[in-house]
Amino acid sequence: DAKTTQPNSMESNEEEPVHLPCNHSTISGTDYIHWYRQLPSQGPEYVIHGLTSNVNNRMASLAIAEDRKSSTLILHRATLRDAAVYYCILRGAGGTSYGKLTFGQGTILTVHP
Amino acid sequence: DGGITQSPKYLFRKEGQNVTLSCEQNLNHDAMYWYRQDPGQGLRLIYYSQIVNDFQKGDIAEGYSVSREKKESFPLTVTSAQKNPTAFYLCASSYPRDRGGGANVLTFGAGSRLTVL
Repeated sequence: DAKTTQPNSMESNEEEPVHLPCNHSTISGTDYIHWYRQLPSQGPEYVIHGLTSNVNNRMASLAIAEDRKSSTLILHRATLRDAAVYYCILRGAGGTSYGKLTFGQGTILTVHP
Repeated sequence: DGGITQSPKYLFRKEGQNVTLSCEQNLNHDAMYWYRQDPGQGLRLIYYSQIVNDFQKGDIAEGYSVSREKKESFPLTVTSAQKNPTAFYLCASSYPRDRGGGANVLTFGAGSRLTVL
């Protein structure tokens, strides 16, 4: 299964931009890059996903490298409510890779007031 | 509003007892998943089901069992064979592979916290 590598932790100040990196050097051509985040004692929530082009939504932006071996989740203005664990995962369309989704340890984002 | 409901939120079990965690969704999703999370760790896949009456083992299926008799429901039984069952259990669902493929987003429930006394 294609795997991702993220830093264990990152820190930011409130109202500053945050760039969360993810490496996925073994990504296949049909794998989508998904980001989820998890607040303490809650289930993860979807943030954003993309295939090749950069993506924007109301929560964040996703910048995907041209070779697709890495991506960056961008929070344009961090708030205290953005403090969470952020997971970057790959989702393929194949039978096994579709169902057997692997979540790593993610990146713990701390936001300072 | 559509979503996933997990129950109970908290559960205490004595050693040697089987317990069943409920997961119900009204999102009309075909695929459902169970994950386990230990403190400070990521999510590990226990079982997943892509369609009714079919399910597959994940990475840590030993000591767990599931059933998928209805599209809306995917209960997880933690058996006495699970050596260290104390954990946070998360259920998720998504559209099937043939409807969106890798673009399909996971929706998670709020989780069930199991403690073995």
